[in-house]
Amino acid sequence: QQQVKQSPQSLIVQKGGISIINCAYENTAFDYFPWYQQFPGKGPALLIAIRPDVSEKKEGRFTISFNKSAKQFSLHIMDSQPGDSATYFCAASKGSSASKIIFGSGTRLSIRP
Amino acid sequence: NAGVMQNPRHLVRRRGQEARLRCSPMKGHSHVYWYRQLPEEGLKFMVYLQKENIIDESGMPKERFSAEFPKEGPSILRIQQVVRGDSAAYFCASSPGGYTEAFFGQGTRLTVV
Repeated sequence: QQQVKQSPQSLIVQKGGISIINCAYENTAFDYFPWYQQFPGKGPALLIAIRPDVSEKKEGRFTISFNKSAKQFSLHIMDSQPGDSATYFCAASKGSSASKIIFGSGTRLSIRP
Repeated sequence: NAGVMQNPRHLVRRRGQEARLRCSPMKGHSHVYWYRQLPEEGLKFMVYLQKENIIDESGMPKERFSAEFPKEGPSILRIQQVVRGDSAAYFCASSPGGYTEAFFGQGTRLTVV
């Protein structure tokens, strides 16, 4: 049973454009929603995270939008740069515990110069 | 301050052999988590350990897989009698507490031939 669904599977964006990745979850007990960035040959690194008591969180060029009623959340990367090219995973868990983080299937993002 | 160290980075085993994957957590971290990433998929939780204790192994296959985190030394993920389906990237993460951010290592890529 896939508890976190992520789309699209791959995404190509022009430099300077906005990259948007969407996720949906099923378990209403989840209360922590992190996004991870993974470069080839590296482990995933926490990029930004949100809790369901807020609808939006912004850190630099990265913004999470959260819709609790629809059980959906998305990552927006503004002014996308070639260095942003990586695989992005949305995830969900109860609390911020790394135990049983449920990951989405990933989005491979390519930023074209 | 070294990050989570995993070794080896790449491991090739023939079917039926044993694979041992090692993880040294970040300094001061006593919680270790193992995740498996199959090609083109997200990470899936396997096991959560503290020093000398297995806290949650609900993601571990019932047979051939075992994990330990001794009082001294790294955490070990052991796979006995490997099969081709075990080929994957295995990631270790560590945290100072159960409900704090975890940091991932660079992973061990296991190939079974």
